[in-house]
Amino acid sequence: QVQLVESGGGLVKPGGSLRLSCAASGFTFSDYYMTWIRQAPGKGLEWVSYISTSGTSTKYADSVKGRFAISRDNAKDSLFLQMHSLRAEDTAVYYCARVFRSGSPLDYWGQGTLVTVSS
Amino acid sequence: QSALTQPASVSGSPGQSITISCTGTSSDVGGYNYVSWYQQHPGKAPKLMIYDVSNRPSGVSNRFSGSKSGNTASLTISGLQAGDEADYYCSSYTSSNTVLFGGGTKLTVL
Repeated sequence: QVQLVESGGGLVKPGGSLRLSCAASGFTFSDYYMTWIRQAPGKGLEWVSYISTSGTSTKYADSVKGRFAISRDNAKDSLFLQMHSLRAEDTAVYYCARVFRSGSPLDYWGQGTLVTVSS
Repeated sequence: QSALTQPASVSGSPGQSITISCTGTSSDVGGYNYVSWYQQHPGKAPKLMIYDVSNRPSGVSNRFSGSKSGNTASLTISGLQAGDEADYYCSSYTSSNTVLFGGGTKLTVL
């Protein structure tokens, strides 16, 4: 069965960096785009970024552009989100999700990992 | 880009039907048939309920249905059950090749 397991969340100071990982299993990882979605405490969902199957195409929300970088390792069935210059407003649960192609629905989600940005 | 507009809350009694609206623009909801709906129970990850406006993934009850007219998409849940109580989010592909979510609707089953 499809499984997505995020890790790497934690407490970080404003201006700091953090790298999130998402381990995929149960499907051919290299056949799917992947995305990151976040949800601030008590708030709604916010799309963060997506990456194409090969990793050559990426897209970011304006709120994270220039600070976050999405990448993937198809040999290791893994997705990453490198986050720099973190701000308090980046505090959220970060979910990875599977997408067949740009425009497709997010059909499987991980359980999420909490990132807290606070001094 | 601003979030798609959803009502903050809706409610209904068991057995009744409810509809949740999701309003966007011609650059997102109105421009593409790539509207999805997600159900999220407290503390859980979102679950895909409807995709491409009106399609149900395997395993989702046929009590859930979707539609679209112009810039507004809708999710209808018929035969409300206690387990349907959750937050519901719409999303749409956009002309900027991004994804836009609605603000979410809290469904209360009375």
